[in-house]
Amino acid sequence: DTEVTQTPKHLVMGMTNKKSLKCEQHMGHRAMYWYKQKAKKPPELMFVYSYEKLSINESVPSRFSPECPNSSLLNLHLHALQPEDSALYLCASSQDRGTGTTEAFFGQGTRLTVV
Amino acid sequence: AQSVTQLGSHVSVSEGALVLLRCNYSSSVPPYLFWYVQYPNQGLQLLLKYTSAATLVKGINGFEAEFKKSETSFHLTKPSAHMSDAAEYFCAVSVPLKAAGNKLTFGGGTRVLVKP
Repeated sequence: DTEVTQTPKHLVMGMTNKKSLKCEQHMGHRAMYWYKQKAKKPPELMFVYSYEKLSINESVPSRFSPECPNSSLLNLHLHALQPEDSALYLCASSQDRGTGTTEAFFGQGTRLTVV
Repeated sequence: AQSVTQLGSHVSVSEGALVLLRCNYSSSVPPYLFWYVQYPNQGLQLLLKYTSAATLVKGINGFEAEFKKSETSFHLTKPSAHMSDAAEYFCAVSVPLKAAGNKLTFGGGTRVLVKP
């Protein structure tokens, strides 16, 4: 199984709502990532988890709150978002060998629209 | 900092023609380079990767890329385009993070249109 599964595929939320994005992988990968992709732009790294601990936060606003409940799951909690946060949110995972050689496996993404 | 630049945001090819997508890297150390493809409303799928084992790398769906240190390039090619190759292609450089994991930094992407 080489899949990363993200739910939901689409999400529309108001600026006062609280919602969560979910990501699951069963490849035994111990590094998991959230990337944000704006329209017609490349993905940009938001967060990195390694062995269920947050290791990298790329200066992401606090209205985005990641969580890694166990080695297979990654959540992104959303609160008080702005319309400019509308984007495709991609989850990825990879083996963590301490080198740059391992590829990341991406989910299909959650298309988020903030109204 | 390591980075990649993709030349050409759009490429149009005829079905059966050569596909050539250009990627140049900037790095003071040997880079780890990747090509990913993104179909509409989908995530990213790995096409191939260069990790210094061989300069000519073969990937999925008939794609290949050649690492040329003298030109700081990692161009992606496919001899004969299919309609199904219409997608966005991203070149990326991977940097290991001090804490754990790797950070992918992507080029701007090249959208490929295949004409019948």
